[in-house]
Amino acid sequence: SSELTQDPAVSVALGQTVRITCQGDSVRSYVNWYQQKPGQAPLLVIYGKNNRPSGIPDRFSGSNSGNTGSLTITGAQAEDEADYFCNFADSNGRYVVFGGGTKLTVL
Amino acid sequence: EVQLVESGGGLVKPGGSLRLSCAASGFILRSYPINWVRQTPGKGLEWVSFISSTSTYTYYADSVKGRFTVSRDNAENSVYLQMDNLRVDDTAVYYCARQQYGSGIFDYWGQGNLVTVSS
Repeated sequence: SSELTQDPAVSVALGQTVRITCQGDSVRSYVNWYQQKPGQAPLLVIYGKNNRPSGIPDRFSGSNSGNTGSLTITGAQAEDEADYFCNFADSNGRYVVFGGGTKLTVL
Repeated sequence: EVQLVESGGGLVKPGGSLRLSCAASGFILRSYPINWVRQTPGKGLEWVSFISSTSTYTYYADSVKGRFTVSRDNAENSVYLQMDNLRVDDTAVYYCARQQYGSGIFDYWGQGNLVTVSS
């Protein structure tokens, strides 16, 4: 399959831990994760095996198991409320796929 | 500071054309591939096109192949997306995104530019 499947919506209580998943054949390599807040461009939060760009809090982490990639937020904050997209792209540009996105609500 | 700024969007009738521009600053554009990604209002992200750092390779999503053309002018620090024969379902916010060389990581994105195709 060339698709990446995400749950449409997930909620988490303030300060608790939440895992957002991304399933698909492409996940057998590593997926990247992007955060998007309303009216803003996507922001890279996790890439590769479990790497955070500069400025991304260490409460964000990534992992893979089989064909499922996960983004975990440990101690979710109100500012983490956003849409999260997973993505895989090969380095040659021939293959790019995005998940459908997960809307995270922090209660 | 790395910046990508899209421009050129707007309202166009079905069958019409638009040319989007992506102005790059804060980095050496010729060292990076660039992608165009679009997002329908309220929906997910859809990859549109890729152009390699020296324009040698260009790729397109099936939904736009034959209608859209990507190009770049590294001397002008700009990347372009020529969109012809536009359809209503091309309506979206269009983002340009920098791809890290040798990886599939889109590390910086522009703020997006709205294209509306409507009669």
